[in-house]
Amino acid sequence: KAGVTQTPRYLIKTRGQQVTLSCSPISGHRSVSWYQQTPGQGLQFLFEYFSETQRNKGNFPGRFSGRQFSNSRSEMNVSTLELGDSALYLCASSHPRAGETYNEQFFGPGTRLTVL
Amino acid sequence: AQTVTQSQPEMSVQEAETVTLSCTYDTSESDYYLFWYKQPPSRQMILVIRQEAYKQQNATENRFSVNFQKAAKSFSLKISDSQLGDAAMYFCAYRSANYPNSGNTPLVFGKGTRLSVIA
Repeated sequence: KAGVTQTPRYLIKTRGQQVTLSCSPISGHRSVSWYQQTPGQGLQFLFEYFSETQRNKGNFPGRFSGRQFSNSRSEMNVSTLELGDSALYLCASSHPRAGETYNEQFFGPGTRLTVL
Repeated sequence: AQTVTQSQPEMSVQEAETVTLSCTYDTSESDYYLFWYKQPPSRQMILVIRQEAYKQQNATENRFSVNFQKAAKSFSLKISDSQLGDAAMYFCAYRSANYPNSGNTPLVFGKGTRLSVIA
């Protein structure tokens, strides 16, 4: 079974631009979560989507948004980029089942975003 | 809010030796999970081991084992017979138990410990 894929792997943008990152979950997985990883703040949760609905959201400004499509693929968008948005963006997919209190999340390789 | 603290930014171990990585966490919840993730230079985050808070028995996965002290809110990772391929960033993470219709609760990560393995 193919793993979680993220595209592009590397991206360079300038301040003020916007960017869209893509995440394709493992086949059959309906939940996609996004995390931002920076040297200063570490790994921080951005949001989670399940069946095209955002179910949880982290403490990030409104410039960060996302969506999920009917095939479970997810995109996240960052508008009006700032230097501090430079980070590794990771997505993770899982297959939640009713009644379960836990399901394993599988991470993608990440997209390295550099804002100049 | 839950917090996870890893007090060792860097550690090193000789090949074939044993090393222990420390992690403490803070929570008021009773139902949760704890994890150790490995992130090698390739950046792919890999789950190493999981511990359910309601289980008293420490989890073990081959050369990896944990020492879970619930009252002390401590969760250390022991790597036995260290191998060169164990060199990576290791993250301790916390996750509340999911509840129906609440979605996947987010992982809360520590800042990580960089482990070097010396041949």
